[in-house]
Amino acid sequence: DAKTTQPPSMDCAEGRAANLPCNHSTISGNEYVYWYRQIHSQGPQYIIHGLKNNETNEMASLIITEDRKSSTLILPHATLRDTAVYYCIVDKQGGKLIFGQGTELSVKP
Amino acid sequence: GAVVSQHPSWVICKSGTSVKIECRSLDFQATTMFWYRQFPKQSLMLMATSNEGSKATYEQGVEKDKFLINHASLTLSTLTVTSAHPEDSSFYICSARAEETQYFGPGTRLLVL
Repeated sequence: DAKTTQPPSMDCAEGRAANLPCNHSTISGNEYVYWYRQIHSQGPQYIIHGLKNNETNEMASLIITEDRKSSTLILPHATLRDTAVYYCIVDKQGGKLIFGQGTELSVKP
Repeated sequence: GAVVSQHPSWVICKSGTSVKIECRSLDFQATTMFWYRQFPKQSLMLMATSNEGSKATYEQGVEKDKFLINHASLTLSTLTVTSAHPEDSSFYICSARAEETQYFGPGTRLLVL
């Protein structure tokens, strides 16, 4: 499985957009980019995933570079409830998800 | 999204006893489920892959005789921690695959005294 690199922590002001980067330079052609988040003491929550096109849902947008070596998760209007650890994972569809250390996002008032 | 439940949400047991944790997919069928363990301030660590009707596949370093996994139906997988010891105290989380996405349960916190 391809390895991902994320900053260990980020801060964001409430109401502003949170842009969380992820590097996955060794991603294979058939591997997807998945984003999950884990709020303290809860199970991970699925956010979004994509292969090569940008994706948007009610939670977030996923921007994948053309060479697919990096991506950015965008939370358009961060709230205090978005404070969590965000995990970027690359994997084949239907594979087993291997979690890295993720980015601890703190949304501040 | 799809819903996965776990029971119990927390359990305290004495050292040497066995504990069973259930993982259910509530609104979909899952031929494959996964079990993770998470220690404080650490990331999730995959323990095993549970396949309906067949033996589980364990990750390297995970004792299959200590962590018994049964996936007897398309909506239920169980993890039994046998002869639990204090070092087994952890947050156990399951996930179930629905099409191309995995959905996670809320987790079970185990404390072994």
